Amino acid sequence: SQQGEEDPQALSIQEGENATMNCSYKTSINNLQWYRQNSGRGLVHLILIRSNEREKHSGRLRVTLDTSKKSSSLLITASRAADTASYFCLSGSGGYQKVTFGTGTKLQVIP
Amino acid sequence: GAVVSQHPSRVICKSGTSVKIECRSLDFQATTMFWYRQFPKQSLMLMATSNEGSKATYEQGVEKDKFLINHASLTLSTLTVTSAHPEDSSFYICSAPDRGIDSPLHFGNGTRLTVT
Repeated sequence: SQQGEEDPQALSIQEGENATMNCSYKTSINNLQWYRQNSGRGLVHLILIRSNEREKHSGRLRVTLDTSKKSSSLLITASRAADTASYFCLSGSGGYQKVTFGTGTKLQVIP
Repeated sequence: GAVVSQHPSRVICKSGTSVKIECRSLDFQATTMFWYRQFPKQSLMLMATSNEGSKATYEQGVEKDKFLINHASLTLSTLTVTSAHPEDSSFYICSAPDRGIDSPLHFGNGTRLTVT
């Protein structure tokens, strides 16, 4: 299985604050991906970090990967109300035979 | 960027009827597509993997005769919910990788199915 488990399940912060969410996985991976889902919509790919990378940035997003702990974190800096969504991680291990998602982190950014 | 177009976005149907949901990859070829259903406030549950030119692979507990999947071309996969019942009401989403294994997934915007 390539299921990731996100933590916390829910997070509520004020606009302008940083939001950190974590992901743990079980098997060895080639990469780890983060997605966002706005309510009632499909998922949008945010960022992909490869197993030989430790940190990656994209705009206000910062992703870290610790393969020894089988965990990743997603940091959203200077959050905005528009960042309100559910966030999911997906670990890629060389195939899509079992592409499953965890329960996600539901982020609420209060204006 | 790569886009997956999913239609319809919402559909209401009566019990016993069938509903077809389409997913098209607009600017890339999708040899594989994934179909999910999502209940309110829950994660996506993988239903099946659709492969162009071959039979779909269904997850355990998903009735293949109930949820018919056809992937007849490199840009189109369809999910037909046959003899729909109220318990089939859910949010159905498709996705596809655009560059093969381990590339990012591109998702349709989902279909909200309500069976009355």
